[in-house]
Amino acid sequence: GNSVTQMEGPVTLSEEAFLTINCTYTATGYPSLFWYVQYPGEGLQLLLKATKADDKGSNKGFEATYRKETTSFHLEKGSVQVSDSAVYFCALTLAGGTSYGKLTFGQGTILTVHP
Amino acid sequence: DGGITQSPKYLFRKEGQNVTLSCEQNLNHDAMYWYRQDPGQGLRLIYYSQIVNDFQKGDIAEGYSVSREKKESFPLTVTSAQKNPTAFYLCASRMQDGSSYEQYFGPGTRLTVT
Repeated sequence: GNSVTQMEGPVTLSEEAFLTINCTYTATGYPSLFWYVQYPGEGLQLLLKATKADDKGSNKGFEATYRKETTSFHLEKGSVQVSDSAVYFCALTLAGGTSYGKLTFGQGTILTVHP
Repeated sequence: DGGITQSPKYLFRKEGQNVTLSCEQNLNHDAMYWYRQDPGQGLRLIYYSQIVNDFQKGDIAEGYSVSREKKESFPLTVTSAQKNPTAFYLCASRMQDGSSYEQYFGPGTRLTVT
């Protein structure tokens, strides 16, 4: 089956530090990959996405590159801010077939950024 | 503004009662989804619907029911048969045209059953 594994959290950083959250996946086909962010008490917001190998998704200073050879989609940001404190979810979906657009999520990584 | 609304934001019920969570979208999306989120876990799919008057069970459908009478609406009923109903419930929708696969989420409903 399909699965997503994220690095264990929580992750605690000081403002302006470099962020990496690791994400690896297993999939029976060629998935599209996503990072979603969830702020306290809210729903999920799409942060970035990549639909094929070597694609780089980017948004708000966050980046992730679809690496088919290592089945990874690690999230990075060069300089985090306090406002980046949230839970980050890596997810995949497979187009067509019986996947019905279902998102398979990792367990989430809590990020806390201190001033 | 287009988006997904869920109501209420917080819901409290006594054990043994059924409760219905609302989800409405004005994005003209074909597919809609219900997920459950528990602390420290990712989201798990309860039910999904790709078209009006049709819906399918997800990974954890037991104790839940849905309807899809209108394109805009996909209510979820948490029945008394659901053993651990206390959770954060998220509704999502997606365009079904094959051009994109991301889902858009509502703000969620936190259900507490005592």
